[in-house]
Amino acid sequence: AQSVTQLGSHVSVSEGALVLLRCNYSSSVPPYLFWYVQYPNQGLQLLLKYTSAATLVKGINGFEAEFKKSETSFHLTKPSAHMSDAAEYFCAVSKSGGYNKLIFGAGTRLAVHP
Amino acid sequence: DAGVIQSPRHEVTEMGQEVTLRCKPISGHDYLFWYRQTMMRGLELLIYFNNNVPIDDSGMPEDRFSAKMPNASFSTLKIQPSEPRDSAVYFCASSRQDEKLFFGSGTQLSVL
Repeated sequence: AQSVTQLGSHVSVSEGALVLLRCNYSSSVPPYLFWYVQYPNQGLQLLLKYTSAATLVKGINGFEAEFKKSETSFHLTKPSAHMSDAAEYFCAVSKSGGYNKLIFGAGTRLAVHP
Repeated sequence: DAGVIQSPRHEVTEMGQEVTLRCKPISGHDYLFWYRQTMMRGLELLIYFNNNVPIDDSGMPEDRFSAKMPNASFSTLKIQPSEPRDSAVYFCASSRQDEKLFFGSGTQLSVL
């Protein structure tokens, strides 16, 4: 069965610092992996997705993630945090292939301080 | 496009009452999903529909929960009777085949 584990429920960074949010996956088939972001009182929005093409995936708002099969990881990074990046971030794996039948991780809340 | 529309935004009810949550997916989307979000369990997929037909309801917690999709533009999630442990944010999402999910703003349910 497919699953994802997000390491760290809370991450705090300074504005301008590197953002690193960790995600490890478990999948019996080549995985489709996703990062979604949730701003307060809103639904989730897709940041980026990996679907077995390039291992380094670029998303919106300057975020990117690298698929590493040897480490079963799909960590999300951004070189320089902005105050507007404060939100909750969810890693997800496709339950049975495709882009929409997703199993989400527990989420990581990112705080950005001046 | 108005996006996925959920109603109500907030629902407060007493234990034992019936609760109905509503969702209008984006026009043209043939998949509809119901998720529940709690602090303890995170985001859980409850059920999803394809072309109005329930495909996978293995995430529905128990028989008190039921979901319907009578047509392509409307779905309901019903809890009867409700219990305090059902308190959560319930999200509806829709998509086309092999395209990303679009989420609604959610319904915050509090069962007292």
